[in-house]
Amino acid sequence: DQQVKQNSPSLSVQEGRISILNCDYTNSMFDYFLWYKKYPAEGPTFLISISSIKDKNEDGRFTVFLNKSAKHLSLHIVPSQPGDSAVYFCAVRSGGAQKLVFGQGTRLTINP
Amino acid sequence: GAGVSQTPSNKVTEKGKYVELRCDPISGHTALYWYRQSLGQGPEFLIYFQGTGAADDSGLPNDRFFAVRPEGSVSTLKIQRTERGDSAVYLCASSTTPGLAHEQFFGPGTRLTVL
Repeated sequence: DQQVKQNSPSLSVQEGRISILNCDYTNSMFDYFLWYKKYPAEGPTFLISISSIKDKNEDGRFTVFLNKSAKHLSLHIVPSQPGDSAVYFCAVRSGGAQKLVFGQGTRLTINP
Repeated sequence: GAGVSQTPSNKVTEKGKYVELRCDPISGHTALYWYRQSLGQGPEFLIYFQGTGAADDSGLPNDRFFAVRPEGSVSTLKIQRTERGDSAVYLCASSTTPGLAHEQFFGPGTRLTVL
């Protein structure tokens, strides 16, 4: 029973354009949301996060949007750069627990 | 400073054997986590330590899996009577005193292959 879903296994975007990665979750008790980026043979690296009390958080080229009514999370990368090519995981946590629940990941490829 | 390190980076074993996977967290991090990532999936939580004690082991799939952190730093994940389905990348992460808004720092993982 997948609590966190990333329905697009892969995404290809032209360099300089916007990349939009999506994530849906099922449990309204989740109250903290994160995006991790993973290169081959490395562990996931934290990218950006958002608390359920907000609907947007921005950090440089990366913006995360949270739509609680739709239980939907998205990551916008603009402008996309070749170094952004990686697998992106969304992860969620509920307040009382420390464990992260991850989606399946989306492989982003930025084409020059 | 040094990040989370995991040894070995690769482990190949035969079905039925016992394996140990080691994690060295970032110095000073009190919280330590183990996750397992199967091919094409995201990391899946196994166990969380706060200090020396396992605060949440709800993700351990069965009693063949066990983890320890005797001195509150290095942790060892132990798998008995390995099965082919145990093949995966085992990830370790650590963080400072846990709270809602804290970041988990991941190691590079140990790729376990059970033949």
